[in-house]
Amino acid sequence: GAGVSQSPSNKVTEKGKDVELRCDPISGHTALYWYRQRLGQGLEFLIYFQGNSAPDKSGLPSDRFSAERTGESVSTLTIQRTQQEDSAVYLCASSLVGYGYTFGSGTRLTVV
Amino acid sequence: GDSVTQMEGPVTLSEEAFLTINCTYTATGYPSLFWYVQYPGEGLQLLLKATKADDKGSNKGFEATYRKETTSFHLEKGSVQVSDSAVYFCALRGETSGSRLTFGEGTQLTVNP
Repeated sequence: GAGVSQSPSNKVTEKGKDVELRCDPISGHTALYWYRQRLGQGLEFLIYFQGNSAPDKSGLPSDRFSAERTGESVSTLTIQRTQQEDSAVYLCASSLVGYGYTFGSGTRLTVV
Repeated sequence: GDSVTQMEGPVTLSEEAFLTINCTYTATGYPSLFWYVQYPGEGLQLLLKATKADDKGSNKGFEATYRKETTSFHLEKGSVQVSDSAVYFCALRGETSGSRLTFGEGTQLTVNP
């Protein structure tokens, strides 16, 4: 596609529920990244996929967070048993290796 | 580990004023440095970058020079416009971090007519 598409754009969920966030990268981009931005804070790295290599999961904050990517296409970020501290904007980006990122507009997650 | 520190915001300026947003970093070796901009309701976009010491990145009237001796990459613009109102993020890609970027906290800029 023309850009990185994320869905939903907004999600309100009850504490304890599971949520799935989706990212459609730019076609042909081999690298895909998830970041989290809490209110008033910088972007926090979560996970990085590069082609068929094992993902870099070093930024995932707990085992409630997981992400999948099939080949070089769509990725889903799953948060199980959501907590209020999970409230944030979740940003996805894609790139060719060594080139600048293209970001999506993000999913604003609110846990009530 | 790698880290990026930006000047605290928000910053409010009048149109045609001079802009500086400070950015300093901590990293081993020679990282690549970036400025990203996020306009209201849009995703982050690459504004400019520099990949080695003393390089100057520039775009849309914005400039930043990679200063190894002061570990800085300050963003400047000589005359801001209302349309420059956005959040600006400084970022680095370390020598050992592959394609992964480390971001600063962002600085909100508001330019009034």
